[in-house]
Formats: sequence, C-alpha cells, structure tokens
Amino acid sequence: AQSVTQLGSHVSVSEGALVLLRCNYSSSVPPYLFWYVQYPNQGLQLLLKYTTGATLVKGINGFEAEFKKSETSFHLTKPSAHMSDAAEYFCAVSAWDDKIIFGKGTRLHILP
Amino acid sequence: DSGVTQTPKHLITATGQRVTLRCSPRSGDLSVYWYQQSLDQGLQFLIQYYNGEERAKGNILERFSAQQFPDLHSELNLSSLELGDSALYFCASSVEGGGVREQYFGPGTRLTVT
Repeated sequence: AQSVTQLGSHVSVSEGALVLLRCNYSSSVPPYLFWYVQYPNQGLQLLLKYTTGATLVKGINGFEAEFKKSETSFHLTKPSAHMSDAAEYFCAVSAWDDKIIFGKGTRLHILP
Repeated sequence: DSGVTQTPKHLITATGQRVTLRCSPRSGDLSVYWYQQSLDQGLQFLIQYYNGEERAKGNILERFSAQQFPDLHSELNLSSLELGDSALYFCASSVEGGGVREQYFGPGTRLTVT
C-alpha cells in the first residue's frame, strides 16, 4: 500500500525566494510520484511526475522535484517564487497499474 | 484546459434534495474518478469507473452513487443532501490498460446545500 505525507499545510515565502514543499512517501513497490497544483477555484493540474530514470524531474512553471529513494522523499522546489505561484500543491503516489493516493496538500503563500 | 469537462459549474440546492453531476472524460480515456474536496476533509477519493464498470471505491457515502455510460461520460448522483455535503466535486480521467495513471482533472462542480 502507498501513502504520502506533506509536511506543512501552509508555507509562506517571499517573492524571489526559494520555494521548498516537502513530501515523503511510503510504498512497498517502486513508486510513481506526482505533484499537482490547484489554483483558486480551479481543478488540479499536473506539475510534474517521476516514473523511472532520472531522479531530478523538471515540470512546468520552473518547478522541479527530486526523487530520493533513501529518504523516501519527493520534495518540490523552485529557485525564485513568483506571486502567481500562490496555490495549493498536492503530492501524490501511485504504483504500477494502481490508483493515485493524494496527500492533504500544502497551501503556498507568496509574500510581497 | 485538461480536456475533462464537468457540468454544472455551480449548484445550489436545499437539504433533502437530490442532484446529478456530470463529467465527460478526455478523449480516449476510459477511466473516470470522482473526488470530493472540502475545507475540513481535504481531497477525498469517492469512486472510480473503468469502461462502464466500477473499479474502486473510496470514502463514498451510501447516499451517493455513480455510473459510467457507454459513451464514457459519468454521472455522480447525490441524494438526501445534507449541509455537510457542500463541497467541490471533481472528476478526473486517465488512460487505462496498465502503466502510470496520471489523472487529468476537470474544473469541478461547486455544490452548496442550504
């Protein structure tokens, strides 16, 4: 069975600062990992995904995430925050041919 | 635009009533998932259909039911509505047949029960 834990339900960063959203997963089989973003009053949008291969995954809007098997982590980063990044971010885990399990989400606030 | 459509966008109804939410998946996607999102419960998986058949069940109440039709669109039926059913309801779709099932979400239906 898979599970995912997002550390921090709210994260605030200043505009231009590094964004770091933490995600740890639990999986008994090789995991597939996702980050989704939800802007206000919208559905979830896929930011990036890790399946196999390169552990550093680049996504849309300048975000990237690194799969670290030894730490069971898949943290999301962006070098420089922009006001438009304010949204809720969901980490999710899946296994081959199985449903996706979503974390509880982290709301990112950008301070001017 | 994910390619998943949901209607209606907003729905306001009274307690005890019944409503139907509709979802059309992306072209070619056989699987449809329904989620409920509320402030206190977060994003909750309700149910999944694959090519017309129920595939997985999550935290779906007995008052709720869903189905997927031959043209692959899906409907979520909510009955005997309570104030606590007020939430955003999302539909997502994915390609089935094995592999990594990333899901594509629709814009949601906001249900308000008064």
